[in-house]
Amino acid sequence: GGIITQTPKFLIGQEGQKLTLKCQQNFNHDTMYWYRQDSGKGLRLIYYSITENDLQKGDLSEGYDASREKKSSFSLTVTSAQKNEMAVFLCASRTDYEQYFGPGTRLTVL
Amino acid sequence: EQQVQQSPASLVLQEAENAELQCSFSIFTNQVQWFYQRPGGRLVSLLYNPSGTKQSGRLTSTTVIKERRSSLHISSSQITDSGTYLCAMERGYNQGKLIFGQGTKLSIKP
Repeated sequence: GGIITQTPKFLIGQEGQKLTLKCQQNFNHDTMYWYRQDSGKGLRLIYYSITENDLQKGDLSEGYDASREKKSSFSLTVTSAQKNEMAVFLCASRTDYEQYFGPGTRLTVL
Repeated sequence: EQQVQQSPASLVLQEAENAELQCSFSIFTNQVQWFYQRPGGRLVSLLYNPSGTKQSGRLTSTTVIKERRSSLHISSSQITDSGTYLCAMERGYNQGKLIFGQGTKLSIKP
């Protein structure tokens, strides 16, 4: 079996700050995803990548950048954190059909 | 427009009762996946069921693609089944771009 790890687990930032979230998977999956989970709004896709160095925008890409320099890792950058923003960012990777999720990074912006 | 609708939004049952969760889609899809999440916990894949009936332990999912709906049946519920159940459908073809419902919050009482 494999695992998806996300760092950090908790991230506290200041308004306007650039913040980077990291995700690693050892499933050897090609496709990886970043989702944002807000209370009462479900999960929304931010970015995904179907292979190393590939990036595709999701529904919520504005305000974010992503990077896939290696097959096993996928990073997400919040380009300018918004005051009072609070959400959980989930990374996932995919077999042919199923998606597997990491434990999440909880972001708080002061 | 909410493309994935889940019902009920919340459900409270006594231990050992059966639970029936519903999911409907605004568009046709060829991939449906059910997930489970405890508060503050990781999203766990329960079943991938694009069509027909699929069973895993006490869980049974039935997806009727032409009617754009899927259900999840939990038999003989246990207190540890409490949590949020999310269904997701794939939008687009074979890139795993999942659209999630808002979830059903299940509470099992002793």
